[in-house]
Amino acid sequence: LAKTTQPISMDSYEGQEVNITCSHNNIATNDYITWYQQFPSQGPRFIIQGYKTKVTNEVASLFIPADRKSSTLSLPRVSLSDTAVYYCLVESFNKFYFGSGTKLNVKP
Amino acid sequence: DADVTQTPRNRITKTGKRIMLECSQTKGHDRMYWYRQDPGLGLRLIYYSFDVKDINKGEISDGYSVSRQAQAKFSLSLESAIPNQTALYFCATSGPGDQPQHFGDGTRLSIL
Repeated sequence: LAKTTQPISMDSYEGQEVNITCSHNNIATNDYITWYQQFPSQGPRFIIQGYKTKVTNEVASLFIPADRKSSTLSLPRVSLSDTAVYYCLVESFNKFYFGSGTKLNVKP
Repeated sequence: DADVTQTPRNRITKTGKRIMLECSQTKGHDRMYWYRQDPGLGLRLIYYSFDVKDINKGEISDGYSVSRQAQAKFSLSLESAIPNQTALYFCATSGPGDQPQHFGDGTRLSIL
């Protein structure tokens, strides 16, 4: 089972880089890792997806080591509006393993 | 995601009632999902459908049923609601393969 595990919460300050790690020890060879952001009273919203090494888009980077047993979402220079819950997801053989979410609190 | 619409947004009902939550999408996706979200437990999959004729149980399907009326519509039913089904319910859609999911804004369901 590709169970996913994340820290429950993290604190940061505006302007800092934030790294949130997700563990997925039993990830299968063909599984992708996807990260979502969720604000209160809204559905999760796609941030970034990757398979190996590093992926970067306009809002985040995703680092995946060679063994793929974990992944790290990196948010550069966070602002107050990045305060949200962040979820990692591994889809494996039509089963969907969401982490329980990391609540990021960005302080001024 | 405004392309995935859930109705109602909020519902309060009594134990034993039959409830239907509806989801419609304009993204043209074949794949649709129903999730339940509880505090501290993240999202758990109830049912999913990869096309109109395909229905699959997820992690926590007991007490729930679904209907895929068309490519764009996927409804979730609670035949006889019980208080521990009080939760936030999300519908999602996706394209084929590993394409990311697009979520609606949820239905908050309270069962008294």
